Amino acid sequence: EAGVAQSPRYKIIEKRQSVAFWCNPISGHATLYWYQQILGQGPKLLIQFQNNGVVDDSQLPKDRFSAERLKGVDSTLKIQPAKLEDSAVYLCASSLAGRGRGRISGELFFGEGSRLTVL
Amino acid sequence: AQSVTQLGSHVSVSEGALVLLRCNYSSSVPPYLFWYVQYPNQGLQLLLKYTSAATLVKGINGFEAEFKKSETSFHLTKPSAHMSDAAEYFCAVTRPLISGGYNKLIFGAGTRLAVHP
Repeated sequence: EAGVAQSPRYKIIEKRQSVAFWCNPISGHATLYWYQQILGQGPKLLIQFQNNGVVDDSQLPKDRFSAERLKGVDSTLKIQPAKLEDSAVYLCASSLAGRGRGRISGELFFGEGSRLTVL
Repeated sequence: AQSVTQLGSHVSVSEGALVLLRCNYSSSVPPYLFWYVQYPNQGLQLLLKYTSAATLVKGINGFEAEFKKSETSFHLTKPSAHMSDAAEYFCAVTRPLISGGYNKLIFGAGTRLAVHP
């Protein structure tokens, strides 16, 4: 089974430029997450999708960050314009939706991340 | 609100020594708890999880953790450290929702484990 795919792995931009990250979740996983991991900190949830819909975007800086998940599969996370403090690893994760027989209890599967450096 | 505190941002042990990484949680409802490991330049990988069944949970690579409600703890242990265990370890908490699904997974700040010969 293929894992969560992310691209690009690394990106260096100057402040005020824009950047986009792409994520392809595990096939059949209805829930998709974007986490921001700043150096020395634990991952922080930016946005959670259930199929096409947004479940939680309370910590997404909406003045500069946007995310979409078209057709309930792939997702893109965009930052425009970037700030120095956006330097971080952006992790995409996916999970099965709901609970019940056969469902793994809340387990998330992570991609390798996209490392952003803003100069 | 739920939260996780990991005591000690860096832990160093000798190869073959006991590994103990500490995690305390805060939750007003019974939590589900996880330990994830992150190797350099890689994503997070699940080590083990507690989901209200057995309080002693065994995971991959010889790790285990014990859920202690009275101490609100979920410490990660391994009897004998190996060089390949050097990585960053994250404790995380969530809870099942009445409406179905789970609350968002909240991570601790992480503990970096170093293993020296």
